[in-house]
Amino acid sequence: EIVMTQSPATLSVSPGERATLSCRASQNVRYNLAWYQQKPGQAPRLLIYGASTRATGIPARFSGSGSGTEFTLTISSLQSEDFAVYHCQQYNNWPPEYTFGQGTKLEIK
Amino acid sequence: EVQLVESGGGLIQPGGSLRLSCAASGFTFNSFDMNWVRQAPGQGLQWVAYISPGASTVYYADSVKGRFTISRDNAKSSLYLQMNSLTAEDTAVYYCASSSRRDFDFWGQGTLVTVSS
Repeated sequence: EIVMTQSPATLSVSPGERATLSCRASQNVRYNLAWYQQKPGQAPRLLIYGASTRATGIPARFSGSGSGTEFTLTISSLQSEDFAVYHCQQYNNWPPEYTFGQGTKLEIK
Repeated sequence: EVQLVESGGGLIQPGGSLRLSCAASGFTFNSFDMNWVRQAPGQGLQWVAYISPGASTVYYADSVKGRFTISRDNAKSSLYLQMNSLTAEDTAVYYCASSSRRDFDFWGQGTLVTVSS
């Protein structure tokens, strides 16, 4: 099983500042990596797929980068609605053995 | 607008069975892969099961293989998860999620399954 490790577990950032979230895979997953945003009591929402492609309707302040085993989600200027938990997911193998990271909680500093 | 609405969750005793449903609308259901993903209280997300558009191919996480069965009825735009031999470790919010690639495009709001005596 490919283990996904996200860091930090909690990130405190002020509104208007940049946030950088990391995700590491235990094996090479190429570009097969997605990021999701989840607010309390809500379902996850797809932000990024293919490591760097924004999903439909996702603002340009969200960007993804990386390949192989190291990935980053950057939010360039934090808005109040961006404070949430962010999950990374790999989908490299077939048959599917999709795995998620444990999440990074982005909180207001 | 894409909508996925889960139902069927509740409190069930260990060893019991439960059937979850997911009603889909706003997209061509029979063209999409579908999945179940769960989230235990305070925990991360765990993929549970996959089904192809025509239902010919299914896959399961090892933790549920042999106990859970995913199915779909394209005429009703509905997805199902039959869960048997439930244990406390199956306690979670269960989400249905569509896939046009292999990430999860859209998610339902989830249904809570609590396994407890």
